Amino acid sequence: DIQMTQSPSSLSASVGDRVTITCRASQSISRLLHWYQQIPGKAPRFLIYGASSLQSGVPSRFSGSGSGTDYTLTISSVQPEDFATYYCQQTYTTPVTFGGGTKVEIK
Amino acid sequence: QVQLVQSGAVVKKPGASVKVSCKAFGYTFTGYFIHWVRQAPGQGLEWMGWINPNSGATNYAQNFQGSVTMTRDTSRSTAYMDLGGLTPDDTAVYYCARERTRSSSGNDACDIWGQGTMVTVSS
Repeated sequence: DIQMTQSPSSLSASVGDRVTITCRASQSISRLLHWYQQIPGKAPRFLIYGASSLQSGVPSRFSGSGSGTDYTLTISSVQPEDFATYYCQQTYTTPVTFGGGTKVEIK
Repeated sequence: QVQLVQSGAVVKKPGASVKVSCKAFGYTFTGYFIHWVRQAPGQGLEWMGWINPNSGATNYAQNFQGSVTMTRDTSRSTAYMDLGGLTPDDTAVYYCARERTRSSSGNDACDIWGQGTMVTVSS
């Protein structure tokens, strides 16, 4: 199975800060890497597919990058509604696997 | 409006089975794979498998082989996830999710998620 390691597991940020979350795969996943946001008590919300393509309706302050085994989700200026847990997911091969999540909290 | 609507919360005893439904609205049900993902309380996301609603083909995670069965009823635009041999460790929210691309092959992101179904396993 491909292991997905997210870091950090949590972070504190102030509104307006730039936030970066990384996701490392245990082998190359050819950019079949996607990002989700989850607010407590809610279903995950789809943000980015194919490492860097923004889903329609997602604010442009969200961006993704990376290739091979290393990927990044960036929020250029974090807003109050962005405080949530973020998950990366690989679909390069089954079993599909998720990172452990990064909780973004208000400082 | 494109959405997936899941069945309601249930409580089951250890050893029992549970069947969760996921009804699709607003799109061609047979055109998009459905994935099932679960989340134990306070934990991360765990992929269980997918079903191709067109063919009925399935792909299950090794952890669930032998205990999960994913089916669909195309006349009702509904997918089902049946999990047997329940233990307290199966207490979780179970989500169905639609793959993003029509006629993909089970390796795309999921853009539409159901609201989740809480399954509690307790004696």
